[in-house]
Amino acid sequence: DGGITQSPKYLFRKEGQNVTLSCEQNLNHDAMYWYRQDPGQGLRLIYYSQIVNDFQKGDIAEGYSVSREKKESFPLTVTSAQKNPTAFYLCASSIQEFYGYTFGSGTRLTVV
Amino acid sequence: GQQVMQIPQYQHVQEGEDFTTYCNSSTTLSNIQWYKQRPGGHPVFLIQLVKSGEVKKQKRLTFQFGEAKKNSSLHITATQTTDVGTYFCAGLASGTYKYIFGTGTRLKVLA
Repeated sequence: DGGITQSPKYLFRKEGQNVTLSCEQNLNHDAMYWYRQDPGQGLRLIYYSQIVNDFQKGDIAEGYSVSREKKESFPLTVTSAQKNPTAFYLCASSIQEFYGYTFGSGTRLTVV
Repeated sequence: GQQVMQIPQYQHVQEGEDFTTYCNSSTTLSNIQWYKQRPGGHPVFLIQLVKSGEVKKQKRLTFQFGEAKKNSSLHITATQTTDVGTYFCAGLASGTYKYIFGTGTRLKVLA
């Protein structure tokens, strides 16, 4: 079945460490996105990519980095510069920019 | 910047009662999407509205897009326990390429 796979489901990070969240899709979608969700709040856009080897900053890109070397993959690195990284991270894809998003099951990141 | 507000933030209803959530944008939208997120889960795409005044139905769910394309609503008739979750709207402002998600309405259905 086609879909988006995010791993790991839970991730614990020590302060000062960088961590990378994986996002893989087999839907043949061009556009991919990373969102952050804090408890009881909406989704805020971190980064998005419309084609391979190209990506743009979203509304809260500071302290994060991404790459898009393959159409299927859009990993997110949470760097030590991100001051409050504890959150639920959601990866999404869409066939094109203005179509409905398919979301992965998310990664819960906790700083310990 | 563009803002998308949803009301109410929370809603508790008895099973069988109706439920409505409203989405209001500070700017005119090209289109609007609705998503449902079950507790502990991820958002699932429900529908997209594009035309002014558009109304779409999915079984017990009715979606409307305002005439001015600045607001939208989701109405659920005769709620069931399976309707529990948070409903988000996501608006695409005219001339932009980024969807802005609303704050969501958390629905709890009491059996």
